[in-house]
Amino acid sequence: EAQVTQNPRYLITVTGKKLTVTCSQNMNHEYMSWYRQDPGLGLRQIYYSMNVEVTDKGDVPEGYKVSRKEKRNFPLILESPSPNQTSLYFCASSLQGTHEQYFGPGTRLTVT
Amino acid sequence: AQTVTQSQPEMSVQEAETVTLSCTYDTSESDYYLFWYKQPPSRQMILVIRQEAYKQQNATENRFSVNFQKAAKSFSLKISDSQLGDAAMYFCAFLDSGAGSYQLTFGKGTKLSVIP
Repeated sequence: EAQVTQNPRYLITVTGKKLTVTCSQNMNHEYMSWYRQDPGLGLRQIYYSMNVEVTDKGDVPEGYKVSRKEKRNFPLILESPSPNQTSLYFCASSLQGTHEQYFGPGTRLTVT
Repeated sequence: AQTVTQSQPEMSVQEAETVTLSCTYDTSESDYYLFWYKQPPSRQMILVIRQEAYKQQNATENRFSVNFQKAAKSFSLKISDSQLGDAAMYFCAFLDSGAGSYQLTFGKGTKLSVIP
């Protein structure tokens, strides 16, 4: 089944404790992105990747890191999480040409 | 940077009726893509419809259609014969797919309620 998976789905952590949210797609898509969703703000792009080893900042990259060492994986890293990073996070992938984004199920992150 | 505006935070429609959700955007690009996404209470993001800016014909997917006015930078979504399962948040999104860029900008969303 074609899909984008994210892990974990739910995470509660404390300020400053490094964490990684994994994202994997099995559709051989070139493009992958991370978004955060906050009430009243819609979805905002954090980082995107156009292919392996090619990443770039979206609208809200501060406090986040990403890497794209393999085509299928695009992990999101929070080196020192803060409470303002409490949010719902989505990973998405899309095929060059169609640009139809396939979204993962979301990761609910709470930083206390 | 592009901006996407959804001026209706909430809307409601009677079951079987038609409703139109509005979206405007601001860009200096000539080549781009526009999307409508649906987010039901499950939080899953579901693509509803997609429009390429270079195509003059409005996209249609079953009961969903768009009114794309490129000069006015308007991209409204019409839902015909509304069903209870259409109740959700709807997000308009703009994709700048120019060379070296892949920035997707979302509006803040419209919450649609369907009244039985």
